[in-house]
Amino acid sequence: EAELTQSPGTLSLSPGERATLFCRASQSVSTSYLAWYQQKPGQAPRLLIYGPSTRATGIPDRFSASGSGTDFTLTISSLQSEDLAVYYCQQYLSWPYSFGQGTTLEIK
Amino acid sequence: QVTLKESGPALVKPTQTLTLTCTFSGFSLTTSGMRVSWIRQPPGKALEWLARIDWDGDIFYTTSLRTRLTISKDTSKNQVVLIMTDMDPADTATYYCARETETTFPGFDYWGQGNLVTVSS
Repeated sequence: EAELTQSPGTLSLSPGERATLFCRASQSVSTSYLAWYQQKPGQAPRLLIYGPSTRATGIPDRFSASGSGTDFTLTISSLQSEDLAVYYCQQYLSWPYSFGQGTTLEIK
Repeated sequence: QVTLKESGPALVKPTQTLTLTCTFSGFSLTTSGMRVSWIRQPPGKALEWLARIDWDGDIFYTTSLRTRLTISKDTSKNQVVLIMTDMDPADTATYYCARETETTFPGFDYWGQGNLVTVSS
């Protein structure tokens, strides 16, 4: 079972800044089998990006993803106040699916 | 418009069996490539995938809970049911159902609002 480790645990940035969130897998994962989610307080997770870098429906282009092998990155190019949330990466390498422990993004 | 909604008890006692129902609309589980999963989230903690059922009847379970879980579907009612036996306080969590397609794999593109289940005597 592939484990995902996200860093940092908490990220505190100001509006307009660039946010870089990391996700490291314990085994090599195809980028086609990685996804990113945003979960705002009190809400269900929302799919942001799946596959190598395909944004889900309605996701603005300031969200992007990259990476390969065991190291992956979610980038938010210019933070907005509504980006306050916990962000999760998720993989399918082999059963079962697994999620990272999340990165909390705070907006100063 | 795709929607999913979980229903079930808010409180169960230890050792009891939990039955959750996911009622969905806007897609059919008879359509090739459609899948529905159950995912849970203990308060303040990360997401944990539990089980998946596919349009063709294929079923998958997380390894650690395999012996306690049963997932099934009723395509005529657009429902997916999850049964979890021998509930324990450690199973206290919000339980979500979510849709996945072959296109968005492994991404879950639509989620229900969640059903908070507390396990307590």
